[in-house]
Amino acid sequence: AQTVTQSQPEMSVQEAETVTLSCTYDTSESDYYLFWYKQPPSRQMILVIRQEAYKQQNATENRFSVNFQKAAKSFSLKISDSQLGDAAMYFCAYRSADGGATNKLIFGTGTLLAVQP
Amino acid sequence: NAGVMQNPRHLVRRRGQEARLRCSPMKGHSHVYWYRQLPEEGLKFMVYLQKENIIDESGMPKERFSAEFPKEGPSILRIQQVVRGDSAAYFCASSAGLLSYEQYFGPGTRLTVT
Repeated sequence: AQTVTQSQPEMSVQEAETVTLSCTYDTSESDYYLFWYKQPPSRQMILVIRQEAYKQQNATENRFSVNFQKAAKSFSLKISDSQLGDAAMYFCAYRSADGGATNKLIFGTGTLLAVQP
Repeated sequence: NAGVMQNPRHLVRRRGQEARLRCSPMKGHSHVYWYRQLPEEGLKFMVYLQKENIIDESGMPKERFSAEFPKEGPSILRIQQVVRGDSAAYFCASSAGLLSYEQYFGPGTRLTVT
């Protein structure tokens, strides 16, 4: 069974600085998707960025980028130029890409990010 | 273009009552997923449905929980004889198809059992 681990329960960053959130996962599959979701105090789940495992190039979305290390099964999220609105719980998630019935997302336990003004 | 709708947003039930949570997927989406988030935890998959079919219910508790997604109308997550441990946020997500990698989440229903 696949598992997702986020070892940092809480992180803090100064406004305008850069922060990296860690995520590791375990799977025996070769093809899958990885995601970072943001959950602000409103509790709405917002997709931040996704990575297809077959792509070697790291995904980037504006100030958000990932460091995807497939061999190490590591998928970290880097937030550059942190803003107060980035304060939220961040979840790493895994999804199989086998096209079968296993469409479910498997989530880590989350990292609570605080942004200091 | 309306997103995923869930109602009610907050639901309070006494122990032993039934809870019904509703989810309307995004327009054009025929795949619905339910997740549960216990306090201080991440989201846990419960069930995956397509119209009139349960595809994967591996995360559903064996008793008291059921889900449906009828041909017409919203998807319903039903919890019978609720207990305090059912208190959680229940999220619904939808996607366009089996191979669609992106799931769009609703705002969640917070269930409190007193």
